[in-house]
This record gives sequence, C-alpha cells and structure tokens, in this order.
Amino acid sequence: GESVGLHLPTLSVQEGDNSIINCAYSNSASDYFIWYKQESGKGPQFIIDIRSNMDKRQGQRVTVLLNKTVKHLSLQIAATQPGDSAVYFCAEAEVSGGSYIPTFGRGTSLIVHP
Amino acid sequence: NAGVMQNPRHLVRRRGQEARLRCSPMKGHSHVYWYRQLPEEGLKFMVYLQKENIIDESGMPKERFSAEFPKEGPSILRIQQVVRGDSAAYFCASSRSAGQRNYGYTFGSGTRLTVV
Repeated sequence: GESVGLHLPTLSVQEGDNSIINCAYSNSASDYFIWYKQESGKGPQFIIDIRSNMDKRQGQRVTVLLNKTVKHLSLQIAATQPGDSAVYFCAEAEVSGGSYIPTFGRGTSLIVHP
Repeated sequence: NAGVMQNPRHLVRRRGQEARLRCSPMKGHSHVYWYRQLPEEGLKFMVYLQKENIIDESGMPKERFSAEFPKEGPSILRIQQVVRGDSAAYFCASSRSAGQRNYGYTFGSGTRLTVV
C-alpha cells in the first residue's frame, strides 16, 4: 500500500552542525506535507509544513524541501543544538475541504552531541 | 490557551478491564483526531470526530474500540476488555474547522496505556 518512510532511523550530529532528515512518500495524491518533532514523553509538535505547489519553505533554523518528481521530502536544521534532540516524523496528507488526516512515517531519531 | 489536554497521562489496566481516555481540544477547535503509537513507531490514525459526529473511523479496530465527542465535554476513546496488545501511547490532536489557512494540528501529550 501507499506509505511514508524514512531513509535513516538514527542520525547523530555534533552541536553546531547542520542536520538533514530525509523522507520518501509514495502517495502521488498527497498535496500537503508536515514535519513534526517529538520529544520523549510528549506529543508531536508541529515544526513546518509545505504544500505541493511549493518546493521550498523556510522557518526559523529549519527548511523543508519537496521534490515531487522523486517523491522526496527533507528537513534541514541549521546549527543543530542539543535541544533539537528528538524523534522527527514526516507526514503526508490530502487536504479535502480544509481538513486532512496526516499519515505518519516511522520517524528518525536525531541525537545531538555537545 | 491551555492547549490540547489529555488525561490521564498514565493508565494501567488489567486484561479484560475497560480503559477510558479523555481529550479536551484547544479552545475554538471543533475537530478531534485520535492516534495510537507503539514503541519506536510512528503514529497510526484511528478516528476523526467533530462534535457529535464520527467523520472517519477507518483506523479503528472493529471490535472493543469506540470513540465519541459529545456536544458538551471531552472526546472519549474507550477500549473494552483490554488485551496486552492495546498497550501503547494514545494521542489526541485537534484542529480548527475547515477553511483555515493554518492547517497545523495541535497534539496533546498523550495517555500511556499499560495492560498487565
């Protein structure tokens, strides 16, 4: 079936480095993509989103890139900090009437070493 | 704004008992979604509700699980006759009604159910 998956289950980086977390999706009908951060014992926290009519969107220290041709999504975190250590999920969705239900990938654990 | 409130945070039940998980959405949010997360896995959609209506329950197991979102009060996820395989973290999310530019869900901190 259609699914969202991640290339790397764990990513270890040094504080101050840039981090890149990748995600592949296979549902060509998806038109909305979201990245979430989940810290231990907490619920997922929205980081950044992107619609399918865009290929790049920037936030504070984070950038999401969307390549619809190869159905690939990435999250770039600049100057990674220890507080960025968490599990990161990408999610895809089809927006219908303003509502959507995201399908989550398995997640990538980001470990930032001081 | 208190955010999405879930309670209890931790719930322990013996096999065969009933589990009731509560979710109060953010103020102004009328859409509620329940997800289940097994250890080291992503969140799996269970059910989507609006006030007094179940919109999509395609992710709900056919037996023992039910959900409601009454006109007054929190949304309830109910699991009857729990089994060990029901042990997981259950997350609730809420969102504004349709047509809003900001599509971002807000998640609660979850209820961690342990069946012994």
